[in-house]
Formats: sequence, C-alpha cells, structure tokens
Amino acid sequence: SQELEQSPQSLIVQEGKNLTINCTSSKTLYGLYWYKQKYGEGLIFLMMLQKGGEEKSHEKITAKLDEKKQQSSLHITASQPSHAGIYLCGAAFSGSARQLTFGSGTQLTVLP
Amino acid sequence: DSGVTQTPKHLITATGQRVTLRCSPRSGDLSVYWYQQSLDQGLQFLIQYYNGEERAKGNILERFSAQQFPDLHSELNLSSLELGDSALYFCASSVFDRVGGNTIYFGEGSWLTVV
Repeated sequence: SQELEQSPQSLIVQEGKNLTINCTSSKTLYGLYWYKQKYGEGLIFLMMLQKGGEEKSHEKITAKLDEKKQQSSLHITASQPSHAGIYLCGAAFSGSARQLTFGSGTQLTVLP
Repeated sequence: DSGVTQTPKHLITATGQRVTLRCSPRSGDLSVYWYQQSLDQGLQFLIQYYNGEERAKGNILERFSAQQFPDLHSELNLSSLELGDSALYFCASSVFDRVGGNTIYFGEGSWLTVV
C-alpha cells in the first residue's frame, strides 16, 4: 500500500547484529501493529502501538511510534536465526474501525 | 497458536467453481476480519463483521461474500473463481481491552489454488 511504506524491503544481517525496520504512514495513525510471518504461514502478533511516543518491548524486539513523523520503527537487538521471517506493519487509519492497511513487508534473513 | 481457527488449510479447485472458507474466532472475540494475501497485491483487507453484522468493507469482489453466524464463526464464500483468486486467505479476530487496546490475532490462513 502506498499509504504505508515499509523499509527496507529486505535485510540480511549476521547473527548478533542489531537491526531496524521502519514503517511510515502518509495518513494519521490511530494504531500501528507489527506482525511476523513465515512464508505461507499465519501472522504472529508482536506489538500494537497507539499513542505517540509509545514504546513497547517483547524479549529482544522493541517498537516505537513517532506521532509527529507518523512513523514506527521495529528494532531487534542481538538478532538470532529465530528472528528470520517477514515483518509486516499494519495501520489503523480510523479510531473506531480496526481494519488494517498493511505495508509490503520486510524480509529478514539472519545468517548464523 | 493465536486461537483463530481456519479451515481448510489448503484447497485446490477449478476455475468457475465456488468454495467456502471457514473461520472460528478466538473465544469471546466479536469482530472477525477477512484478508487476502497474494504476491502482487500483498495483504489486503476484504471485510469485517462485528457480532453478526457487517461493519466494514474493503477490496472485496462482488463474486465474494461473507457472513458471521450467531455462534460468531464466519464463512467467506468465493464464487466463479478465476486464476487470479489464488491466494492465502486470512481470518482475524479482535478483542478490545482498556489497557491493551484492540489486539487483532490472525489465523493460519487457507491456501486457495485455482487451476
């Protein structure tokens, strides 16, 4: 979706390295969701951010929401092969409705 | 396991045929969403139901329809199938809580191949 741009499209990192994935919206965000997907499988919910400046962490994954920039970043610390997959951001552009518009995804490969 | 159950996991059918995909939401979730994921279009919202009523429509073709039943399970009906309908179809359900907000969980998807 052009309303939601994800970058980079793909990322190859060495195990143990840190990495960041960005998701930028052209519209006001009412909620920003991060999911992880293995090819052909279901989406695994990671985190949801609602308020500007909000930051959430789960294990080695941290997500932040910059309200001014209408942008979210997903940061993985000390990456592991288990982090490999497709990371998708999904945006809610309405406060009441929760249908999500998704970015095109970031393919992450972690080399052992 | 997200708690959202979809059947069948895989389906192969011929052009012109009709199929029904089934979804059982997480226990207690009133909202059900359907999404289509294809290589060229990415992940796109199709339709949302809330407690049996249609709440929102996205890029859903007229050949497709959905409904949510009183027990909250949902079905997505795809008819007059074309090769381009081949995709991974996801169901998602959501629950709202004051602390976490509106968390949306996805099922494993139904792979549809039209030949």
